Amino acid sequence: DAKTTQPNSMESNEEEPVHLPCNHSTISGTDYIHWYRQLPSQGPEYVIHGLTSNVNNRMASLAIAEDRKSSTLILHRATLRDAAVYYCIPANNLFFGTGTRLTVIP
Amino acid sequence: DAGVTQSPTHLIKTRGQQVTLRCSPKSGHDTVSWYQQALGQGPQFIFQYYEEEERQRGNFPDRFSGHQFPNYSSELNVNALLLGDSALYLCASSSSGQVYQETQYFGPGTRLLVL
Repeated sequence: DAKTTQPNSMESNEEEPVHLPCNHSTISGTDYIHWYRQLPSQGPEYVIHGLTSNVNNRMASLAIAEDRKSSTLILHRATLRDAAVYYCIPANNLFFGTGTRLTVIP
Repeated sequence: DAGVTQSPTHLIKTRGQQVTLRCSPKSGHDTVSWYQQALGQGPQFIFQYYEEEERQRGNFPDRFSGHQFPNYSSELNVNALLLGDSALYLCASSSSGQVYQETQYFGPGTRLLVL
């Protein structure tokens, strides 16, 4: 399975953009990249996924490097409700890492 | 449209006992995965069920077993409970076929405490 590296924690000021990086250097050519987040006391929830092209939805944007060895989840304007642990999951969409804990400062 | 539901929400057991956790998938989903999440850790994949068969398994001992019913609901059984089995157990559902592309929807989890 593709291994991932994410920073343990990040901070952002409210209403500012946040860029959450993920390295997945062992990803194979057909592996999708999924991002989930887990709010306190809840199960994980889907954020976004992509294969090669950058993707946008109402929650976030996903920028995928041309060599696909890394990706960045972009929250365009962080709100207090975005405070969560964010997980990047390449490959078979089953194996979570330790994720990045995002703190949003009012 | 009901999402993924799990029961019970909380459970307390003692070492050596057995436990059964239940999960009903989101409407239209036929694939169920189970995860264990220890405090402060990411979810760890236990196994996945599709068409009533275990399709893939993570690095968990045989004490962890499961079942999927014809209506796609699923059970997770843990035998000979250890203190280290205390965790949040999450169920996730998705639709079949292109599982690597399909979004997983998670339930709220069952918190198990083993004393």
